[in-house]
Amino acid sequence: QKEVEQDPGPLSVPEGAIVSLNCTYSNSAFQYFMWYRQYSRKGPELLMYTYSSGNKEDGRFTAQVDKSSKYISLFIRDSQPSDSATYLCAMSARVTGGGNKLTFGTGTQLKVEL
Amino acid sequence: EAGVAQSPRYKIIEKRQSVAFWCNPISGHATLYWYQQILGQGPKLLIQFQNNGVVDDSQLPKDRFSAERLKGVDSTLKIQPAKLEDSAVYLCASSFRTGARYEQYFGPGTRLTVT
Repeated sequence: QKEVEQDPGPLSVPEGAIVSLNCTYSNSAFQYFMWYRQYSRKGPELLMYTYSSGNKEDGRFTAQVDKSSKYISLFIRDSQPSDSATYLCAMSARVTGGGNKLTFGTGTQLKVEL
Repeated sequence: EAGVAQSPRYKIIEKRQSVAFWCNPISGHATLYWYQQILGQGPKLLIQFQNNGVVDDSQLPKDRFSAERLKGVDSTLKIQPAKLEDSAVYLCASSFRTGARYEQYFGPGTRLTVT
């Protein structure tokens, strides 16, 4: 079993739709949860960062973490064609003595159509 | 602020040949990471440096991969000899310090094709 599971998609939605992206994980030690966006032939860029459980909102983006269910979500409101990209969830555990290895999901490919 | 720079952007080699990738992190960033991203998968950490010391290289295939960061700034990742399964994008990232709260900034990657 992979430490982080993410549906690869592809997911196709019309412009203006609400998008829900999800990841599940098995490692209880994960405390830091991130969502990265990766455009084709580019490196990932950080979208949202959450520590422990709860919600965080930033403009059209909302990240949710449910540690009891080991489940995280990213919601995109009023989706735009420019949101078309691969969305990667990533997690890390607090490591004594250094090191903050990110464990990524496989990424979900999103296409927002006009 | 300039981002993470990587070169070359693309490289095609035959199996058993050697190849090297270069990374220049964001100025002032002490921590540097090399990730391998195989098509259809998320990035996997190969090695993490804090200044010029190795913090984590547990997933680096040390029989063929090596990396160095001699002066605590630029870094090179080498593969010798390459195998077909090494075909991937090699991403370099940097962060101000080591620690989960410090954002990792990624470069554009080097796309390696081994034939």
